[in-house]
Amino acid sequence: GNSVTQMEGPVTLSEEAFLTINCTYTATGYPSLFWYVQYPGEGLQLLLKATKADDKGSNKGFEATYRKETTSFHLEKGSVQVSDSAVYFCALRAVYNFNKFYFGSGTKLNVKP
Amino acid sequence: DAGVIQSPRHEVTEMGQEVTLRCKPISGHNSLFWYRQTMMRGLELLIYFNNNVPIDDSGMPEDRFSAKMPNASFSTLKIQPSEPRDSAVYFCASSFPGQIYEQYFGPGTRLTVT
Repeated sequence: GNSVTQMEGPVTLSEEAFLTINCTYTATGYPSLFWYVQYPGEGLQLLLKATKADDKGSNKGFEATYRKETTSFHLEKGSVQVSDSAVYFCALRAVYNFNKFYFGSGTKLNVKP
Repeated sequence: DAGVIQSPRHEVTEMGQEVTLRCKPISGHNSLFWYRQTMMRGLELLIYFNNNVPIDDSGMPEDRFSAKMPNASFSTLKIQPSEPRDSAVYFCASSFPGQIYEQYFGPGTRLTVT
């Protein structure tokens, strides 16, 4: 079956610290992978995506690389800001099963000044 | 583009009442998704339409929930009768079909059933 596993939160960091949020997946075939961000009181917004193995998605200083060998798509940022405080969701879109999306449980990030 | 539009943004109703949530997807998107988000259960997919046809409704919790998509630019999620445990944020999202395309989420409807 298809599933996404994210590291448990919350993650608390000081401003300018390095961020890693782990994401691993199980899927039939070769899915597309996404990171979404949800700010308080808002809907989910696409942060970045990768549609094939070894692709690197990047946006706003965040990066994630599609690793087929380790079935992972870890989110990284070199220097976080207070404004990055949000909940981050890893997701995949399945090749089979009608192209459904599968979301992880979300990881809350708190960045302190 | 206006993005995915949902209404109302907030709904407070009493137990037993009918609730209808509305969604207008992004023009040209022909896949539409309804999700529910709670602290306890996280983000749950309720139902998924493709070209106005329900493809997968396995996430609909029970017969009290129903969803329709009469045309490409409008969908509704109805709860009848509503119960306090239905209190949640309900999101609508739309997408082009196909594996490589991302979803675009609406701002959500916060439902409170008292």
